[in-house]
Amino acid sequence: QVRLQESGPGLVRPSETLSLTCSVSGGSLSGYFWSWFRQSPEKGLEWIGNFHYTGTTNYNPSLQSRVTISVDTSKNQFSLRLRSVTAADTARYFCTRGGGVVPTSWGQGTLVTVSS
Amino acid sequence: EIVLTQSPATLSLSPGQRATLSCGASHIVSNNYLAWYQQKPGLPPRLLIFDASRRATGIPDRFSGSGSGTDFTLTIGRLEPEDFALYYCQQYGTSPFTFGPGTKVDL
Repeated sequence: QVRLQESGPGLVRPSETLSLTCSVSGGSLSGYFWSWFRQSPEKGLEWIGNFHYTGTTNYNPSLQSRVTISVDTSKNQFSLRLRSVTAADTARYFCTRGGGVVPTSWGQGTLVTVSS
Repeated sequence: EIVLTQSPATLSLSPGQRATLSCGASHIVSNNYLAWYQQKPGLPPRLLIFDASRRATGIPDRFSGSGSGTDFTLTIGRLEPEDFALYYCQQYGTSPFTFGPGTKVDL
């Protein structure tokens, strides 16, 4: 049974970079899509982007200019970087795994607040 | 961007009753790539249905999905106490993949 765990700062200052890591246990990164989603009361559920183990990435166009998803196979982790954050980026962030783009396994999520 | 709407916003029912949730899309969902999720407070979403009508692994057969094009339905045949939750639809046929605002099924 794969387990995903998000980690990273819970507070990020406006204009700085939000960096989160998803640690994967119980399975390798090969053969799957790895995604980030976020959820806030204002915007609901939002897809941020995904990474396929073959190296392909796909981002939400509304975030594409600020977001990078990368993978560290040696640590069995993948990461999210979101630059130039504002209060609108305050949300709970989830990492997921799917055989296709639909996520079948989710982390518990981590709350990130953007505030000075 | 494909905008999804869900109705009703809240569905008040009792255990044993049938629940019918609707999801409408602003444009045709490519290949009927439509998923349904259940979410309970403090937990991540749980995949119920994908490809509009295929149940995810481990999902009871009282959950069924139907529809095509721009109109989709999630039916819960007989509500169990653990089914009272929020339900979201998501389309993944066209980027950006988008979610509906949710339907709350409560007592």
